[in-house]
Formats: sequence, C-alpha cells, structure tokens
Amino acid sequence: DTGVSQNPRHKITKRGQNVTFRCDPISEHNRLYWYRQTLGQGPEFLTYFQNEAQLEKSRLLSDRFSAERPKGSFSTLEIQRTEQGDSAMYLCASRPGQMNTGELFFGEGSRLTVL
Amino acid sequence: AQRVTQPEKLLSVFKGAPVELKCNYSYSGSPELFWYVQYSRQRLQLLLRHISRESIKGFTADLNKGETSFHLKKPFAQEEDSAMYYCALSSQGAQKLVFGQGTRLTINP
Repeated sequence: DTGVSQNPRHKITKRGQNVTFRCDPISEHNRLYWYRQTLGQGPEFLTYFQNEAQLEKSRLLSDRFSAERPKGSFSTLEIQRTEQGDSAMYLCASRPGQMNTGELFFGEGSRLTVL
Repeated sequence: AQRVTQPEKLLSVFKGAPVELKCNYSYSGSPELFWYVQYSRQRLQLLLRHISRESIKGFTADLNKGETSFHLKKPFAQEEDSAMYYCALSSQGAQKLVFGQGTRLTINP
C-alpha cells in the first residue's frame, strides 16, 4: 500500500501519560498535515509542514502538543501529559507541493483513548 | 472567520430517489469548496471540487456565492453511496481545509 501510513492505529493510555503518533506520507509528497477529529465532528486542522518546516499551527495545538518532521519525510505528533479531552482520532494527510488542488490524501488515522 | 455548516447529521433516502446534501459556508473572500467522502472502513477521500465543475459517481455540486452554499446532489441514489460526506472550504492560497461536521447518508434498498 503506497498510501499515507499512520501508527499506531489505536492507543489507549492513562491520563498524564505521553503518547506519540507517527505518520509516513506518500513518497515525494512534501506537504504534510495533522488533523484531529472528535466524535460527531469533522476533521479540525492542527498543523502543517512543507518539507521539514512547520509553517502553520492551529490554536488547538496547545503547549502539550508538539509535531516534528525532522528530515522532511515522516512526521511525529507527541502529546504530553494527556487529558481525557485529548481522546480523538488523529489524522495525517499529505499532498504534493506542485499544485494546490485541495486534494489531501489521508491516512487511516490513529485513535487515542485517554482513560 | 471561515466556517462550514452541514445542517443534517443524518440523511436517509431510498435507492433511486434524488439526494441532496446541504452545505453552507461563511467566508468573506473567494472560497474554494470541496466534498470529501468516507466509505465504511475506508479513508477520507476527495469526491469533487467546485473549481473542476465535474460529475463524480453521478454527484454534482454547484457553488452559489449569493446563498453561500455548495450543496451536493445526485438524481438517483445507489446503495453504494451510503457513506459519511464532509463539505470543506479553503481560502485561495491557503493550506488548510476547514471541514463541516459531516452528514451520514444512508441509502435504503
């Protein structure tokens, strides 16, 4: 499968623990996005990378959240000191940089459950 | 501020009946509008974009700037159309998409 890959697919953790999600975009897609989706809502933008540069962050991304894309390929999203309100599906998407058609290629998501 | 509203969380129609999924947006500039779809156990994927003015799987959507709407329509629903549909907006040159809450469409046999 050459699509966007996310790991782990499901993470259950206790409140206060740290979690990290990984996203492997489609090869040669230099733009990478993180979205969060809570139950009954549409995806909400968190942050965006062009190559290794993090160019935009949403106000939703509190200080406990950090995202990296160190070599411009895969990306990680870390949540420190998790809270129950962090329970959500975390979606990664990528697209090539040559043209902005609005088409994002999404992964299957990483579902976080904070107990 | 950009906002997308999908007033119907659930929509159920019979096979062969017309379908219309509503989408309204608020944005002061020139928006780019999209419909994304998520079939059961599949990833979220682009269905169509207003700028292409194309029909995909029998679906069309017309951008009505006067009514700030981008409703998705299909004249004859098929069972395989059952899915979650999201309307999304992007401002020109912007990177992020703003999604609506989604409408779950169920096509009854």
